[in-house]
Amino acid sequence: AQSVTQPDIHITVSEGASLELRCNYSYGATPYLFWYVQSPGQGLQLLLKYFSGDTLVQGIKGFEAEFKRSQSSFNLRKPSVHWSDAAEYFCAVGTGGFKTIFGAGTRLFVKA
Amino acid sequence: DSGVTQTPKHLITATGQRVTLRCSPRSGDLSVYWYQQSLDQGLQFLIQYYNGEERAKGNILERFSAQQFPDLHSELNLSSLELGDSALYFCASSALAGGDGELFFGEGSRLTVL
Repeated sequence: AQSVTQPDIHITVSEGASLELRCNYSYGATPYLFWYVQSPGQGLQLLLKYFSGDTLVQGIKGFEAEFKRSQSSFNLRKPSVHWSDAAEYFCAVGTGGFKTIFGAGTRLFVKA
Repeated sequence: DSGVTQTPKHLITATGQRVTLRCSPRSGDLSVYWYQQSLDQGLQFLIQYYNGEERAKGNILERFSAQQFPDLHSELNLSSLELGDSALYFCASSALAGGDGELFFGEGSRLTVL
């Protein structure tokens, strides 16, 4: 069965520091991969997506993610975190069927 | 603004009651998804409709049902409510039928069962 694992329930980084959020997936074929962000009291918003091609994808708000097939990973990165990046981040897998499966989420705290 | 509208935003009710949550998808989107978000279960996929037809089912309880109407809005009906049904219910829409489409989420309906 398809699954998505986000190993870190929460992460704290200092403003201006770099960020990497981990995501591992389980799926038999090449998946469609997404990162979404949820700010408090809001719905989820797409940050970036990977379907095929270049394994390093750029998204909004300065985020990028790299697809590594050998590691079944799709980690999210940002070189310099801003206080406004504090939110919950969800990795998701679209299976090509009809449903998108989400990881449990990683809550990002940013300290001044 | 994602273009997806959910009503009501907040709902407080008692155990054993029935409620209906409504979702209007983004203009032109044919797919509607329902998700339940709770602290202990995370974001759980419930059900998906595409152009009026049920396309996929997830962890949806038998006490819950949904439908998508000809104007593409969708309703999620929750009956015989239990305390554990308290959660944030999200609707999302997509232009595509499959799992390859970007999902646009509403702001959610927060259900509290007392």
